[in-house]
Amino acid sequence: ELKVEQNPLFLSMQEGKNYTIYCNYSTTSDRLYWYRQDPGKSLESLFVLLSNGAVKQEGRLMASLDTKARLSTLHITAAVHDLSATYFCAVDRSGGSNYKLTFGKGTLLTVNP
Amino acid sequence: NAGVTQTPKFQVLKTGQSMTLQCAQDMNHEYMSWYRQDPGMGLRLIHYSVGAGITDQGEVPNGYNVSRSTTEDFPLRLLSAAPSQTSVYFCASSSRTSGRARVMFFGPGTRLTVL
Repeated sequence: ELKVEQNPLFLSMQEGKNYTIYCNYSTTSDRLYWYRQDPGKSLESLFVLLSNGAVKQEGRLMASLDTKARLSTLHITAAVHDLSATYFCAVDRSGGSNYKLTFGKGTLLTVNP
Repeated sequence: NAGVTQTPKFQVLKTGQSMTLQCAQDMNHEYMSWYRQDPGMGLRLIHYSVGAGITDQGEVPNGYNVSRSTTEDFPLRLLSAAPSQTSVYFCASSSRTSGRARVMFFGPGTRLTVL
């Protein structure tokens, strides 16, 4: 059974600081997704990581994938309040067809002024 | 292009009642799925479909039925609602033919309370 573990589950940080969210998964997969969810809203796709060593960056967020370690990271640089949200990683378990995702429990990020 | 739409947005049921959550997408996506989100649990897959007429169970299918008679629609039926089905339900869709970077798009969600 595929398990996806995120840590930390709760993260309170000050504006301007850097931090990393970790996502470990238990079985082989070369597709990993990061989503953002604002309170009471739906999920918004942030990154799709398709191969070992993949790195994607968008603004203050950078995601990477190490398939050998079964680890993805979401790095936050110089956090701002607008980044406050819940972040989910998800692993594809449909053999690359992206119709079955297993999600981590999410990391609730709060950025304080 | 509305993307993935869900109705209703909110629903309150009594234990034992049945209802159907509606989901539609206008992107001609082959794949559709239903997830439920509970506090501290992330999202869990209920049922999914890889095309019209084809459905299969996910991680938590008990108490739910689905059918897919058209590419656009993928309704989720609660047969006899239980308090344990209180949750937020998300419908999602993705394309088989959009290349390796297939993104799954999520609907706005239905917040269901079972009393």
